[in-house]
Parts: sequence; C-alpha cells; structure tokens
Amino acid sequence: AQSVAQPEDQVNVAEGNPLTVKCTYSVSGNPYLFWYVQYPNRGLQFLLKYITGDNLVKGSYGFEAEFNKSQTSFHLKKPSALVSDSALYFCAVRDISEGNNRLAFGKGNQVVVIP
Amino acid sequence: EPEVTQTPSHQVTQMGQEVILRCVPISNHLYFYWYRQILGQKVEFLVSFYNNEISEKSEIFDDQFSVERPDGSNFTLKIRSTKLEDSAMYFCASWEGGAYNEQFFGPGTRLTVL
Repeated sequence: AQSVAQPEDQVNVAEGNPLTVKCTYSVSGNPYLFWYVQYPNRGLQFLLKYITGDNLVKGSYGFEAEFNKSQTSFHLKKPSALVSDSALYFCAVRDISEGNNRLAFGKGNQVVVIP
Repeated sequence: EPEVTQTPSHQVTQMGQEVILRCVPISNHLYFYWYRQILGQKVEFLVSFYNNEISEKSEIFDDQFSVERPDGSNFTLKIRSTKLEDSAMYFCASWEGGAYNEQFFGPGTRLTVL
C-alpha cells in the first residue's frame, strides 16, 4: 500500500531563510507526488506535483520540490521564506499501479515563519 | 478559476443523528472524492465516485456512510447515525481524470458530534 511520511511536526524558520519540509514515500509502482498547503480555515490548495520528467519541479508561490528516487523523497523547498508561508503543508502520493486514484497523505507539517 | 465548494462550513449534531454534507465539484470533472481529517491527524481517504457509482472505498467507509450525486451537480456524503469519533473536517475533492492532473479540494466541512 502507498504511504507518506512527514517526520517533523513543526518547522520553524526565520523570515528570509531557506525553508525545507521533508517527505518520504512508499509505493509499489511509480509514484505520483503532490504537495498541498492548508491555510487556517481554508481547504487544501495544490502547490506542485511530480509525475515524470525533471526531478526538480517548480510550483506556486516560489516553492519547488526535488524528487529523489533512490531516497524515496520529495522534499519541499523555498529559498527565502515569507511570514505568509506560515501554514500546514501536506505531502501526498498516488500509486497508479494499485489501480486506484486515491491520494495517501502524510500527517502534515506546521510551518511557522518567524518575522 | 473554477473551484470546489462545500456546505455547510461547520455542522454541529447530536450523536445518533443523520448528517448530509454537500459538495459542488468542478463542473467538467469526472471523479469525486471524500476525505476526512480528524483533529491533529492525517488526511484520510474515504471514498471515490465515478460514473454514478462508488469506485473505491476505504475501511473507514462502513455501512453508516453513503454517497450520492443526486442531480448531476451536487455530491453528497451522508452519515446515517453519527458517532463521537465521526467528528472531523471532511474534504470533498474532484478530478478531471488524466494521470498528469491533480485533485482539487474544497474548503471542508467541520463536523462536530456532541
């Protein structure tokens, strides 16, 4: 079965510093990987995805993520964090080989950007 | 930009009561989903719906749960007899299909069972 791990509960970073949110995954086939962000009292907003092609993918709001097959990781990064980036970030995976389209989510990481 | 909408935003109910959560998916999408997030826990898949029938469901989606697309627009989740442990944020999602496309999520309905 597909699964995602986000090892940290909370990530604290000073404004202007690089931000990294970690994600590792487990699938039986080729992974389709996603990052979503949840602002307070809002739904899940799509940030970026890896389907195939370049391992470095760029998404909304200056975020990017690097797919690393050997380490089964898909860490989310932003070179310079903003206070407005403070939110809950979810990594998710879809395993097409399992014949379904459900997303398996990690537990989420609370990102706090300190002014 | 098209979006998934959900109503109500917050529902409070007594244990044992029936609740219906409503969703309006993006109009040209073909696949519809319900997920839930118990406070402090991960987002969990409940059910997927395609071509007017359930295509997949998780072990959470027992006989107390049902889904329906009554009018070609709305997509509903019904919980027949709510339990305290059903308290959670319920997210609806829709997907137009195609491996390269992502699922779009609604803002969620917070269900509180007293």
